[in-house]
Amino acid sequence: NAGVTQTPKFQVLKTGQSMTLQCAQDMNHEYMSWYRQDPGMGLRLIHYSVGAGITDQGEVPNGYNVSRSTTEDFPLRLLSAAPSQTSVYFCASSLDPSGNTIYFGEGSWLTVV
Amino acid sequence: AQSVTQPDIHITVSEGASLELRCNYSYGATPYLFWYVQSPGQGLQLLLKYFSGDTLVQGIKGFEAEFKRSQSSFNLRKPSVHWSDAAEYFCAVGGRGGSYIPTFGRGTSLIVHP
Repeated sequence: NAGVTQTPKFQVLKTGQSMTLQCAQDMNHEYMSWYRQDPGMGLRLIHYSVGAGITDQGEVPNGYNVSRSTTEDFPLRLLSAAPSQTSVYFCASSLDPSGNTIYFGEGSWLTVV
Repeated sequence: AQSVTQPDIHITVSEGASLELRCNYSYGATPYLFWYVQSPGQGLQLLLKYFSGDTLVQGIKGFEAEFKRSQSSFNLRKPSVHWSDAAEYFCAVGGRGGSYIPTFGRGTSLIVHP
């Protein structure tokens, strides 16, 4: 029972580098989302998707791109990493958007130097 | 838009003492409400959730929460805290229908003294 799988778990980037955080779920959930967690800020929504081919911005989308070519995968791309993007990133998926059935990945710790 | 306020950044209690973590929400109708716990370096674990019905909700690890519509609150309680309860606690609100992805509070850090 894989649930929501995020990779990598830890990553160090140099400023200006690009990378992709991978997220995959095997529960056939339509709704997927990316959050970032910073001390004292809770979880803030970056981008979300309500189904394959459909994405939308959350609270803090700048500097991030997403795509949803399949139901299973929802990668998060940092095009040009900045120190302000040092954070813990959580991917989530759910059957419906309300949080009723939401499942979180284990998190990806990203440091930008 | 929905929002969540957790007014206490840190809470310190002695082991064995009772606990109440506050959560206030803003939402136009009856929301879905959640409490999550996060231990250091770990992901999020759902403690309990409220959708409808009985306003007193029981969760895992001996936690409970009470939905008070008149106060727009969903406070988390535990009658006797254990040292292992030290963690970060997040309240969240989700919408019914539409595309209301859950909104999280900023979290309350629980410190437990022996």
